[in-house]
Amino acid sequence: EAGVAQSPRYKIIEKRQSVAFWCNPISGHATLYWYQQILGQGPKLLIQFQNNGVVDDSQLPKDRFSAERLKGVDSTLKIQPAKLEDSAVYLCASSTGRGNTEAFFGQGTRLTVV
Amino acid sequence: GENVGLHLPTLSVQEGDNSIINCAYSNSASDYFIWYKQESGKGPQFIIDIRSNMDKRQGQRVTVLLNKTVKHLSLQIAATQPGDSAVYFCAENRGTGYALNFGKGTSLLVTP
Repeated sequence: EAGVAQSPRYKIIEKRQSVAFWCNPISGHATLYWYQQILGQGPKLLIQFQNNGVVDDSQLPKDRFSAERLKGVDSTLKIQPAKLEDSAVYLCASSTGRGNTEAFFGQGTRLTVV
Repeated sequence: GENVGLHLPTLSVQEGDNSIINCAYSNSASDYFIWYKQESGKGPQFIIDIRSNMDKRQGQRVTVLLNKTVKHLSLQIAATQPGDSAVYFCAENRGTGYALNFGKGTSLLVTP
């Protein structure tokens, strides 16, 4: 079974620039998550999708972050404009969405804002 | 707000010894718990989970214990190996449809 795919693996941008990350979840997984993981910390939920609808985006900085999951499969997370404090690993995860089950994570995109 | 935390940020053990990683949670509504392992440059990897109607669950070389009375979760790794060196996170979920909430992590270092 293919895992969660993310791209790019690394990205370096200057502050105030924009950046986009892409995620392809495990086939058939209805729920998709974007987490932000700052160095030395645990992952923090940014947004949760159920199919193509947003379930929870309470911790998403909506003035600069946006995410979409068109057609309920792939998802993109965008930051515009980026700030220095956005430097982190952005993890995408997916789960079946049926009951309480584990989330499967991709390798993440490491973003460095300079 | 509610949070999941870890007692020890780092743990160093000798190869072959048993390891115990602890985690405290504060959300009494949490009903599902997972331990993840994260190696450098990789995403978190599922190790073992436990539901709130259980107090112990065993896997291959790993055991998770849940004490709901004191809101405490532990991960025991038997015969720790160098490949077990990683950061371990506990995560909790307060119900179906909610996302996992992660703690800060414990770094496990296995020395020969």
